[in-house]
Amino acid sequence: GENVEQHPSTLSVQEGDSAVIKCTYSDSASNYFPWYKQELGKGPQLIIDIRSNVGEKKDQRIAVTLNKTAKHFSLHITETQPEDSAVYFCAVSYNTDKLIFGTGTRLQVFP
Amino acid sequence: DVKVTQSSRYLVKRTGEKVFLECVQDMDHENMFWYRQDPGLGLRLIYFSYDVKMKEKGDIPEGYSVSREKKERFSLILESASTNQTSMYLCASSFLGVRVETQYFGPGTRLLVL
Repeated sequence: GENVEQHPSTLSVQEGDSAVIKCTYSDSASNYFPWYKQELGKGPQLIIDIRSNVGEKKDQRIAVTLNKTAKHFSLHITETQPEDSAVYFCAVSYNTDKLIFGTGTRLQVFP
Repeated sequence: DVKVTQSSRYLVKRTGEKVFLECVQDMDHENMFWYRQDPGLGLRLIYFSYDVKMKEKGDIPEGYSVSREKKERFSLILESASTNQTSMYLCASSFLGVRVETQYFGPGTRLLVL
């Protein structure tokens, strides 16, 4: 079955710096790649997603890039702020409503 | 706004007890999911339901069962709780569309089995 690896598991950055989280997957047929953010005491919330017909998608300070050949996709956060501190999960899916999640990245943004 | 609520934020049970975790969504979503979240393991799917009375096993269904008698409610049942079921349990729902849709999560139930 599909396997999703997420790195790094923890990431500390200074406020204003950029943060990048990368996920690799095994099933080349996967075609949906969302990113979820989980703040302390809350459930995960979708922040951005990309489908396999595009290579990059941007929404203000966050962007996702997809490399289908290499089977990896990344979350990019620019100009990080303390409120970006959270756990981030990548996920993949192939023509199904079920998602396979990565193991999560704890991002800490220091003022 | 989509709202997914879970019956308890924290729960303490004893080994062997039967445990019910309830989840309710208010957006008329067809799909509902139960996940468990453990450090270093991410979110793992326990069970999935795409319609009333319909269910499908996820990746780790052993020791769990589910019930979906009404569209808005999805229950997770631990028939005989064990210590290795101590975890954070997350419920989610999504619209059944032509392609994969956003999952909306509840705040989670942290279960401790003693």
